[in-house]
Amino acid sequence: NAGVTQTPKFRVLKTGQSMTLLCAQDMNHEYMYWYRQDPGMGLRLIHYSVGEGTTAKGEVPDGYNVSRLKKQNFLLGLESAAPSQTSVYFCASRHPPTGTEAFFGQGTRLTVV
Amino acid sequence: AQKITQTQPGMFVQEKEAVTLDCTYDTSDPSYGLFWYKQPSSGEMIFLIYQGSYDQQNATEGRYSLNFQKARKSANLVISASQLGDSAMYFCAQFSGSARQLTFGSGTQLTVLP
Repeated sequence: NAGVTQTPKFRVLKTGQSMTLLCAQDMNHEYMYWYRQDPGMGLRLIHYSVGEGTTAKGEVPDGYNVSRLKKQNFLLGLESAAPSQTSVYFCASRHPPTGTEAFFGQGTRLTVV
Repeated sequence: AQKITQTQPGMFVQEKEAVTLDCTYDTSDPSYGLFWYKQPSSGEMIFLIYQGSYDQQNATEGRYSLNFQKARKSANLVISASQLGDSAMYFCAQFSGSARQLTFGSGTQLTVLP
């Protein structure tokens, strides 16, 4: 049982390049979330999805886009990477209303130079 | 909008003693959930404990208990008999039934002293 898997684990981008982070969960969870964590800080919500085909903006959505074409996958895209997007990105999933735990991926460390 | 506040950026505790990490939340939604996560220096997010807004009793999981005071909108984490391995960052989080967002506080860095 893999749980939540993030791909890739590490990435270095040049300013202006684009990339997509993949989050895959095998628990049939409805809700999925993307966060960023900057050094010494908490997790800030970028975008989230409450079901296949739906997405919504979180606290810090600018510069990011997301898609949830399949229930098990939640993609986070950076169209034109900026150094300010250097961060650790976490994906999480949860199954309401009975879910008492949000499951996290292992994180993706992204550096934009 | 949801807001989670953790007012203790850093805490120290002696090994084998108990420690309380503070968390206050703010929501008008009658249905919500509160979580605590541990993040060691290796970076993964480890689930510790959950409290639902309709739960009558405070949640407990081993050495972890959640002191849920609904009227004060607080959900403090109590760790009993601290161990050196408890040294980590601890995050409080809130899920709102209507907003469906999962929002985290800024965290408390706990250091357990031998």
